[in-house]
Formats: sequence, structure tokens, C-alpha cells
Amino acid sequence: GNSVTQMEGPVTLSEEAFLTINCTYTATGYPSLFWYVQYPGEGLQLLLKATKADDKGSNKGFEATYRKETTSFHLEKGSVQVSDSAVYFCALRNNAGNMLTFGGGTRLMVKP
Amino acid sequence: NAGVTQTPKFRVLKTGQSMTLLCAQDMNHEYMYWYRQDPGMGLRLIHYSVGEGTTAKGEVPDGYNVSRLKKQNFLLGLESAAPSQTSVYFCASTTGLGDSYEQYFGPGTRLTVT
Repeated sequence: GNSVTQMEGPVTLSEEAFLTINCTYTATGYPSLFWYVQYPGEGLQLLLKATKADDKGSNKGFEATYRKETTSFHLEKGSVQVSDSAVYFCALRNNAGNMLTFGGGTRLMVKP
Repeated sequence: NAGVTQTPKFRVLKTGQSMTLLCAQDMNHEYMYWYRQDPGMGLRLIHYSVGEGTTAKGEVPDGYNVSRLKKQNFLLGLESAAPSQTSVYFCASTTGLGDSYEQYFGPGTRLTVT
């Protein structure tokens, strides 16, 4: 079956530090990959996505590249801000299916 | 355009009580989902619907029932609440179409069962 594995948090960084949150997946076929963000007290919001190998998704300074050879979709940001403090979820959609499989989430805390 | 809304926002139940969570979307989406979120476990799919009048089981359906009588509404019922159902519940919806696929989430309902 499908599965998504994320690094466990919390990840604590100082403002302007470089961020990497690792995500690897197991799936059959050619999944689409997503990063969702959950700010405190809110629902999940789509942050970025990639639909095929070597695609790079980007939004709000965050980037992730779909690496089929390593089955990974690591999230990166060059300079984090306090406002980036949230929980980040990696997810996959298998082929043309209509369900998402989520990782366990990684809490990011950014200190001023 | 309110997107996906959920009621109530918070609820405390005693073991054995029943309740219904309401999800509404105004985006004319065909697909709707109910998830539960527990610490360290991400989101787990309870039930979903691919259209009005249809429902299907997800990963963790036991103890829950759902109904989709109207396209815009998806109800999640707990007939006899148990402490193991203490969680945050999220509803989501999507058109389910192609590369523009995106699930839109509601703000969540925090349920405590004592």
C-alpha cells in the first residue's frame, strides 16, 4: 500500500535559518506529491505540489523537488520566519485516485 | 465564498452519548472526506463520498457513520462515543479532477469524550 514517512519533530530553528523537512514515500505507479501546512488552530492548506518526476513545486519561498529515484519530496526554505511556525504534512495521491495518504506531520518552531 | 465550514468547533461528550458533526462546502465539489487527526499520526481517513447519495469506508471507519443527502453537506455521526474517539476532526472536499487536484480543508472540530 501507499505510505509517507516524514522526519519527526519538533524542528526548532532561529529566524533566517535554512529549513529542510525530509519526506519519503512508498507507492505504486506515478503518484502526485503534496506539502500541506497547518497553522495553529486552523485546517490544512495546500503549500505546494508536484505531479511528475523532477517537477519542482514552490510557494511562499518554500520548494520541494519530486525525486523518483530516491522516492523523496523534501521541503526546503532558505530563510525561515517566525510566521512559518506550523505543522507541515507531506502527502501523496496515487495515480488518478481521489484520496491522499498523509505523513505524520512535522512541527516547525521558529524563534526570533 | 466560505469554502469548507464545520460545526461545531468544540464539543465535550460523555462516553455513550451520540452526536453529529456537520461539514458544508459551497464550491460544488463532488468529493468529500472526513479525517481524524491524532498526535504523531497525521490525518487518517474515516469515510469519504464521491458524490451525493454515496459513501465509502476509509482507513478507520469503525464507530462512525456518514451521510451525504445533499451535495454540499457531509455529516459524520458518532452513535455511542468512546474515549478513543477523542480527536480533532477535519472535513475536506475536492473536485477530484486531473492535475489541479487539491483538497480544501475545514477549520476542524475538537472533540473530547470523557
